[in-house]
Amino acid sequence: AQSVSQHNHHVILSEAASLELGCNYSYGGTVNLFWYVQYPGQHLQLLLKYFSGDPLVKGIKGFEAEFIKSKFSFNLRKPSVQWSDTAEYFCAVGMDSSYKLIFGSGTRLLVRP
Amino acid sequence: DAGITQSPRYKITETGRQVTLMCHQTWSHSYMFWYRQDLGHGLRLIYYSAAADITDKGEVPDGYVVSRSKTENFPLTLESATRSQTSVYFCASRDPGQGLSYEQYFGPGTRLTVT
Repeated sequence: AQSVSQHNHHVILSEAASLELGCNYSYGGTVNLFWYVQYPGQHLQLLLKYFSGDPLVKGIKGFEAEFIKSKFSFNLRKPSVQWSDTAEYFCAVGMDSSYKLIFGSGTRLLVRP
Repeated sequence: DAGITQSPRYKITETGRQVTLMCHQTWSHSYMFWYRQDLGHGLRLIYYSAAADITDKGEVPDGYVVSRSKTENFPLTLESATRSQTSVYFCASRDPGQGLSYEQYFGPGTRLTVT
């Protein structure tokens, strides 16, 4: 069965540190890729998405992600995190023509001021 | 305001009781989804609906029932609640007319506790 893996379950960083969160999926066909963020007590919001074209995607709040097809990966990056980035981050994958998304288990990020 | 709303936001119920969680969206999106969020599992799809009167099972449908008589509403019913159904439930919607690249929009969630 198709799956999405986020290997970092908890990440703790200091402000201004660089961030990279891993996301890998197991599917050989066409994919649409998303990163969602859930701030404490809030609902999920879209950070960025990839569906075609430039594999380096820029999103809101300085986040970016790179789609590496050969590695089945879509890692999220930010060069300098802020305390306000404390949240849970979810990678999600849509496969072929399906409108359903498969979510990873999430990564909880804590940024210390 | 336009958007997707869920009610109630918090619910405590007893084992064996029937519970219905409501979801309402004002965008007239065709597709609607129900997820549950559990620590270590991320979001898992319970049911989804492609349009009014069209529903299908997701990854974890057992113990849940859905209906979609109107495009804007997608209620989720726990027929006989169990402790394992304690979770946070999210409703989402999207418009398929904009292509597969467009995201799902999520509601604020319902935190359900089954005692």
